[in-house]
Amino acid sequence: DGGITQSPKYLFRKEGQNVTLSCEQNLNHDAMYWYRQDPGQGLRLIYYSQIVNDFQKGDIAEGYSVSREKKESFPLTVTSAQKNPTAFYLCASSIGLFEAFFGQGTRLTVV
Amino acid sequence: GENVEQHPSTLSVQEGDSAVIKCTYSDSASNYFPWYKQELGKRPQLIIDIRSNVGEKKDQRIAVTLNKTAKHFSLHITETQPEDSAVYFCAASKGRNYGGSQGNLIFGKGTKLSVKP
Repeated sequence: DGGITQSPKYLFRKEGQNVTLSCEQNLNHDAMYWYRQDPGQGLRLIYYSQIVNDFQKGDIAEGYSVSREKKESFPLTVTSAQKNPTAFYLCASSIGLFEAFFGQGTRLTVV
Repeated sequence: GENVEQHPSTLSVQEGDSAVIKCTYSDSASNYFPWYKQELGKRPQLIIDIRSNVGEKKDQRIAVTLNKTAKHFSLHITETQPEDSAVYFCAASKGRNYGGSQGNLIFGKGTKLSVKP
C-alpha cells in the first residue's frame, strides 16, 4: 500500500482541543479531498483542493480547516467548533476529476 | 446539485449466487460512475467504473450497467464468494467537463454485502 498515506491511524481528542490529521501523497495528483464517514452515511465531503494554495469547502466544512501549501500534503484540522467529531476520516487524491485513490483513514474519537 | 441514491443498504446472499446493487443519480450531466469496495476497517478501493459513452462494462465476475435515460446504474457480481463481503459505494461525477465543486464525486450511502458460505 503506497501512494497516499494518512496518519495517525487512531486519534483521541479531548473536549475543546484542536487536532490535525495528516495526509501525504506521492502520486503527483493535483486534486486532494477529505471525507468524513459515519455509519450508514456514506462518504461526505469536508474540503477539497484542486491545486496548490487553493481549497474549497465541501458539504460539511463547518468546524474544520485545511491548508494546501505543497502538492503532496493536505492536512485537516478538526477544531473545537466541530461539536461531533467522532468519525472515520478519509483522505483521497485524484488526477483530474475521475478516479479517487484513498488513504487508509484516521479514526478520531472524542474522550 | 447532484444526488446519488443507493439501494439496498444491506444485502445478504449465499455463496455462488449473484448480487445486484442499484444507484440512481439526479444530474443528467454526470458522466462518470465508479464503484468502490470497502472492507472492514480499510480504505475504499475502486473496483470498476463506467463512463457515459458506454452502456455496460465487465471485468471477470463484476459488471456495471448504465441507463442514461433513466439515470441509473447498477453493479452486478456473479458467483459471489465470501471475500466479496464488504461495503460497496457507488458515485457519480461530471468529470472534466465542469470546474469547481461540480466535478467532485458524489457518493451513495453504501451497501453492506454479506456472502454466506
